[in-house]
Amino acid sequence: GQSLEQPSEVTAVEGAIVQINCTYQTSGFYGLSWYQQHDGGAPTFLSYNALDGLEETGRFSSFLSRSDSYGYLLLQELQMKDSASYFCAVSLADNYGQNFVFGPGTRLSVLP
Amino acid sequence: ETGVTQTPRHLVMGMTNKKSLKCEQHLGHNAMYWYKQSAKKPLELMFVYNFKEQTENNSVPSRFSPECPNSSHLFLHLHTLQPEDSALYLCASSQVWSDTDTQYFGPGTRLTVL
Repeated sequence: GQSLEQPSEVTAVEGAIVQINCTYQTSGFYGLSWYQQHDGGAPTFLSYNALDGLEETGRFSSFLSRSDSYGYLLLQELQMKDSASYFCAVSLADNYGQNFVFGPGTRLSVLP
Repeated sequence: ETGVTQTPRHLVMGMTNKKSLKCEQHLGHNAMYWYKQSAKKPLELMFVYNFKEQTENNSVPSRFSPECPNSSHLFLHLHTLQPEDSALYLCASSQVWSDTDTQYFGPGTRLTVL
């Protein structure tokens, strides 16, 4: 089956840097996405990696290593508003066609 | 605001009721999705419609019935649900069904089945 693993919780202080890891076991891998979800809100798209390497978008960066089935989301200069859940998601092809599988999510708490 | 709206935002229903969830997107997209988000479980993709055609049905029980009358509207018809179906149901849309297209999510409908 398809599975993704993320740490369940991460805590950091304002201004710090935090890395949220995601490992996956899937077949037919296309790419890895990251989503942010605040309590009571809908997921919002952060980044997408199809190729190995680092993608940088402002304070957020995302990394992918296809050979290691591993990726991470790096958040720099943390702000209180970054407290949220972060989901990695794999887009892939399986017997049903194209599919999209989310990880369990990592709850990030940013402390003052 | 992501351009995707869902109604109702909250719904409480009994196991014998029939209700429908509605999703509308104002982004000119051609693909729409239903997801289920349960507490302490990963987000689950339920259905995908691409150009009004259903392309994915991830082993969802028949008590959930989707309908996509046009590219802007998506419904999820519910009947004889179980308490374990209580969850947040999210609708999303993207330009087309593609792994590189960003999906935009609605606010969700919080469903409670008694």
